[in-house]
Amino acid sequence: DGGITQSPKYLFRKEGQNVTLSCEQNLNHDAMYWYRQDPGQGLRLIYYSQIVNDFQKGDIAEGYSVSREKKESFPLTVTSAQKNPTAFYLCASSMPGNEYEQYFGPGTRLTVT
Amino acid sequence: AQSVTQLDSQVPVFEEAPVELRCNYSSSVSVYLFWYVQYPNQGLQLLLKYLSGSTLVKGINGFEAEFNKSQTSFHLRKPSVHISDTAEYFCAVSHITGANNLFFGTGTRLTVIP
Repeated sequence: DGGITQSPKYLFRKEGQNVTLSCEQNLNHDAMYWYRQDPGQGLRLIYYSQIVNDFQKGDIAEGYSVSREKKESFPLTVTSAQKNPTAFYLCASSMPGNEYEQYFGPGTRLTVT
Repeated sequence: AQSVTQLDSQVPVFEEAPVELRCNYSSSVSVYLFWYVQYPNQGLQLLLKYLSGSTLVKGINGFEAEFNKSQTSFHLRKPSVHISDTAEYFCAVSHITGANNLFFGTGTRLTVIP
């Protein structure tokens, strides 16, 4: 089955530690995205990548970093510089020419204490 | 600049009753419009989309939405809801030209009461 996988589903970290969230897709999509979801705030774009080895900052990139070494993978690192990292993180991808229609993974809930 | 407003953060409705979830947008350019559904602790799933053509679009699970350009609205409707429709619903827009990123509303939590 084609789709997007995010692992793990739940992640716990101590404050001050970096943590990397995994996102893999086998849909052969060029574009991939990372969103953060907080209660009552909808989804906010962190980073996106339209092609391998290239990525762009979204609306709330501070405290996050990404890489895109492979088409299938777009890992997100939440650094210790992110002031409020506890949130639900969603990865998405889209087909070439149809960037407006995105397919979402199941999400990772990160809790930092 | 563009924005998406979902006026109701929570909508409770009895099973088999009709429901309307409201969405208004503002944009200086033409847009595509979407509704996504999110079940608890899951990712988002595309419910329906308006790209062009007929302003009434039908989606999965019996939902439909109507694009009203003069009122800049894209309200979601279902004539008879089921318990399984309990979820969070997000309206989103994307520019037709230029960057095609999605801009989401803050969501409406639909709770269907037995």
